[in-house]
Amino acid sequence: NAGVMQNPRHLVRRRGQEARLRCSPMKGHSHVYWYRQLPEEGLKFMVYLQKENIIDESGMPKERFSAEFPKEGPSILRIQQVVRGDSAAYFCASSPDKSYGYTFGSGTRLTVV
Amino acid sequence: QKEVEQNSGPLSVPEGAIASLNCTYSDRGSQSFFWYRQYSGKSPELIMSIYSNGDKEDGRFTAQLNKASQYVSLLIRDSQPSDSATYLCAVNGPNFGNEKLTFGTGTRLTIIP
Repeated sequence: NAGVMQNPRHLVRRRGQEARLRCSPMKGHSHVYWYRQLPEEGLKFMVYLQKENIIDESGMPKERFSAEFPKEGPSILRIQQVVRGDSAAYFCASSPDKSYGYTFGSGTRLTVV
Repeated sequence: QKEVEQNSGPLSVPEGAIASLNCTYSDRGSQSFFWYRQYSGKSPELIMSIYSNGDKEDGRFTAQLNKASQYVSLLIRDSQPSDSATYLCAVNGPNFGNEKLTFGTGTRLTIIP
């Protein structure tokens, strides 16, 4: 049973480009969460999705950030017109039920140059 | 007051001793509590979950929960150098949003050989 799969592991983008981060949850997990971790800081919630639905996006910046979890395929976190402050580790997690702890993917480390 | 508060450390403990990690949370209605371990440059790994008052033991790890004091702790017995990591406390509750975990900033633990 493969764990939560994220790709790419490392992503370098120039300011103004778009970043697309992908996450495939564990088999049987229908709840997907995206978190961002800045250097020396804790994990900050961004968005919670179930298939084809955004349940809670209260942690997402209002502009440039979007997320989806289509019926088929991985969940995508999209960051448009990236800026240096977007440089961080982005972790995706999944769970079978919202009351359980998460299983995290290995993360995507985004560097904006 | 932070929603989930941890002493950032670093906490240094001799090999073989007991490491004690503490966490307080602000939402009295919180229901689920988790401890994650994160090695430098890696993703968080769930090591303990606890849902009711008292102690829960799993191998060398013991989680303790006191809802009246809004306090959760993690004890690591017979500490090993491989336990050196950052430990993240996470809480799930109605005022945090049942759908997401709120994390503390973590306590950095170093086991001294």
